[in-house]
Amino acid sequence: NAGVTQTPKFQVLKTGQSMTLQCAQDMNHNSMYWYRQDPGMGLRLIYYSASEGTTDKGEVPNGYNVSRLNKREFSLRLESAAPSQTSVYFCASSPTRSTEAFFGQGTRLTVV
Amino acid sequence: AQSVTQPDIHITVSEGASLELRCNYSYGATPYLFWYVQSPGQGLQLLLKYFSGDTLVQGIKGFEAEFKRSQSSFNLRKPSVHWSDAAEYFCAVAQPGGGGGADGLTFGKGTHLIIQP
Repeated sequence: NAGVTQTPKFQVLKTGQSMTLQCAQDMNHNSMYWYRQDPGMGLRLIYYSASEGTTDKGEVPNGYNVSRLNKREFSLRLESAAPSQTSVYFCASSPTRSTEAFFGQGTRLTVV
Repeated sequence: AQSVTQPDIHITVSEGASLELRCNYSYGATPYLFWYVQSPGQGLQLLLKYFSGDTLVQGIKGFEAEFKRSQSSFNLRKPSVHWSDAAEYFCAVAQPGGGGGADGLTFGKGTHLIIQP
């Protein structure tokens, strides 16, 4: 019953450092998403992958890149971290595009 | 573009009392509608969803929601809250079928529910 698994759970980066957030789902879902959650802002979509082999920008894509490695895995990369990217990042998956999404436990990222 | 408004940032309810959380959406047609709950430090859990059909939908943990097309609303209700219901609640919408850059869910900013003993 793993569902959506994100690693790491916590990370502290210095400004300018890079890192990759990993996400894997074991529900055979076609669509995967990366959201960020900031206080008072709800969740905002960064990037999504409607199906294996495709990726598209969401509402707040600047400063991020993604890779849909295979059907199970969808990673988010910060090439040069900035303090404005301090946030909680959630990966989610859904059976098909725009149906109910299932969320991971989140990654709390702090950029100093 | 679709949008979701949750007018109440915080709501305080006594344990055992009834609850209604408000959600209004802006969308050209009938979207898919969702309510999620988030406990501190946790991910989001789906409470219920509406795609079509009966406008009163039942969810987990004793929650229900009613879709009102005329009011563009999808309010969440519970007849009697428990202390364990204290959490953040998010309403979300999605464009049926996605596509055209409209994949994924659009979330409201959330309502923080506080339960008084």
